[in-house]
Amino acid sequence: AQSVAQPEDQVNVAEGNPLTVKCTYSVSGNPYLFWYVQYPNRGLQFLLKYITGDNLVKGSYGFEAEFNKSQTSFHLKKPSALVSDSALYFCAVRDFGTGRRALTFGSGTRLQVQP
Amino acid sequence: DGGITQSPKYLFRKEGQNVTLSCEQNLNHDAMYWYRQDPGQGLRLIYYSQIVNDFQKGDIAEGYSVSREKKESFPLTVTSAQKNPTAFYLCASSSGTEITDTQYFGPGTRLTVL
Repeated sequence: AQSVAQPEDQVNVAEGNPLTVKCTYSVSGNPYLFWYVQYPNRGLQFLLKYITGDNLVKGSYGFEAEFNKSQTSFHLKKPSALVSDSALYFCAVRDFGTGRRALTFGSGTRLQVQP
Repeated sequence: DGGITQSPKYLFRKEGQNVTLSCEQNLNHDAMYWYRQDPGQGLRLIYYSQIVNDFQKGDIAEGYSVSREKKESFPLTVTSAQKNPTAFYLCASSSGTEITDTQYFGPGTRLTVL
């Protein structure tokens, strides 16, 4: 069965500093990995995805994520955090090996960016 | 959220009542999904549909029912059999043509049982 772990419930970072939100996954086949962001009482917004190819994926709003197959990780990064980046971030995986199209989500990480 | 609408935004249900949550998309997507979000648990899959007139149970289908009579609509009914229905419900859709396709989400419905 596929699973996703986001080991940090909350990440705090000062505005202008780099940020990292961690994600590790477990799948039986090749993973398709996604990051979404959620603002209060809103739906999820798609940030980026990894399918294949370059391990560094660039997405919306200056975010990027690095796929590491040996460590089964897909950490979300941004070189310089903004206060407006404060939100709830979800990592998700789809297991190519199972053919299941629905996503399996992590529990979410709340990012707080202090001015 | 564009292209996927959910209504109502807030819904209150009394014990023993069935309620139906609406989800409509104008993205011409084949696949649609319902997730439930509880604090600290991420999203869990309730039902999904790959094509009209076909749907499958997800991980937590008990106490819920769906229909898919039209491509653009995928309503979710929360029945009285659902023991703890208070949650935030999110509908999503994807093109359904590729295993790599992206799911896009609606704005959600917050259901509260009184």
